[in-house]
Formats: sequence, structure tokens, C-alpha cells
Amino acid sequence: EDKVVQSPLSLVVHEGDTVTLNCSYEVTNFRSLLWYKQEKKAPTFLFMLTSSGIEKKSGRLSSILDKKELSSILNITATQTGDSAIYLCAVAASGTYKYIFGTGTRLKVLA
Amino acid sequence: DTAVSQTPKYLVTQMGNDKSIKCEQNLGHDTMYWYKQDSKKFLKIMFSYNNKELIINETVPNRFSPKSPDKAHLNLHINSLELGDSAVYFCASSQSLGGGEKLFFGSGTQLSVL
Repeated sequence: EDKVVQSPLSLVVHEGDTVTLNCSYEVTNFRSLLWYKQEKKAPTFLFMLTSSGIEKKSGRLSSILDKKELSSILNITATQTGDSAIYLCAVAASGTYKYIFGTGTRLKVLA
Repeated sequence: DTAVSQTPKYLVTQMGNDKSIKCEQNLGHDTMYWYKQDSKKFLKIMFSYNNKELIINETVPNRFSPKSPDKAHLNLHINSLELGDSAVYFCASSQSLGGGEKLFFGSGTQLSVL
């Protein structure tokens, strides 16, 4: 069965710290991996990684896909209190027409 | 303009009642989804539709019946509500099927069954 696992489940850091969130997956016919940030309500899109785009960066956030290790990391440098959220990883497989989500990592950044 | 909109935002109801949640997207996407998020924030696919056609029904009880009158709308009707149905229900859309597109989410409907 297709599976997505995120670690750690939760994390508390201080402003200015760097954090690394992990996502590992077991899917047949991998197509893409997506990262989302969820604060109060709807998840908002951060990055999509595919075989042709294994590294993405936006400001203090960056993500890398390791197709050999079947995993991805999301890095946040110089964290701010506004980064406090649940970070969700989702994986899509060709032909299954669905995105499978991990359990999320709950990040809390203290001032 | 909100890209994916759901109504209502909150729904509080008694066990045994029937309720509906509506979803509309103005992105011109072909594919729409319903996801359920439990208290531990785990998002699980329930249904997906492509151009009004049901593609995925992910072992959801048949008390849940989705309806897509056109490709911009996907509604969810729930019969005989149970306590375990309490959750946040998210509607989402993507340009097409296949997994190569990003998902856009609505703001969610928080359903509380008493």
C-alpha cells in the first residue's frame, strides 16, 4: 500500500534556528512530491518536486528530492514565529489520480 | 476572488441528521477532490472527480455521496451523520489528473456532530 511518512511529528525551535523536516514515501510509479504549509485553515502550496525538478528554493525555504532514498527534505533557515505551522508532504503516483498525504510535522517557533 | 470556495465554514448538527457541503472553483480546473482531515491533522482522500466523472471513491461509507453538476462544482452530501464524521472537510482542485499538478484547497468546512 502507498505510504508517506513525515518526521519529526513535532518540533519546537527558537527564532533564528534552522530546521529540517523529512518526508519519506513508498509509492508505485512516483510522479511528484508536494510540500504544503497549514496554519489556521487551508493548506497553502510551497513546492512541487518531480524527476525533472529535484531542488526548489524560495527565500528562506528550500526543498530537495532524493529519488534514490525515496525521500525529501524541507529546510527553513533563520526561522521566524510566522513559520509556526503544520508542514504537510504529499506524494502523487502516476495512474492513481490521488495525492497521498503524510501525517505532517507541527513546527513551533518561539520568539 | 477566492479560487476554491466552500460553504458553510462551520456546521454543527445532531447525530442522524443529513447535511451538505458545497464547493466551487473558478480556476478552470478539470479535477476536484474531497479530503477529510481528522483531529490529528491527517488528510485523507475521499473522492476525486474529473470533468464531472467519479474517478476515486476511497472506501468511504455510502452515507457520503458526492455530486458534480459541472466541472466547477463538487458537492458532498452526508446522510445519517455519526459522531465519527466530525472532522474538517476540504475541497481541492487541480488542473488535471495524473499527479503532476499542484492542489489548490478551499478553506475547509468544520463539521461537528453532537
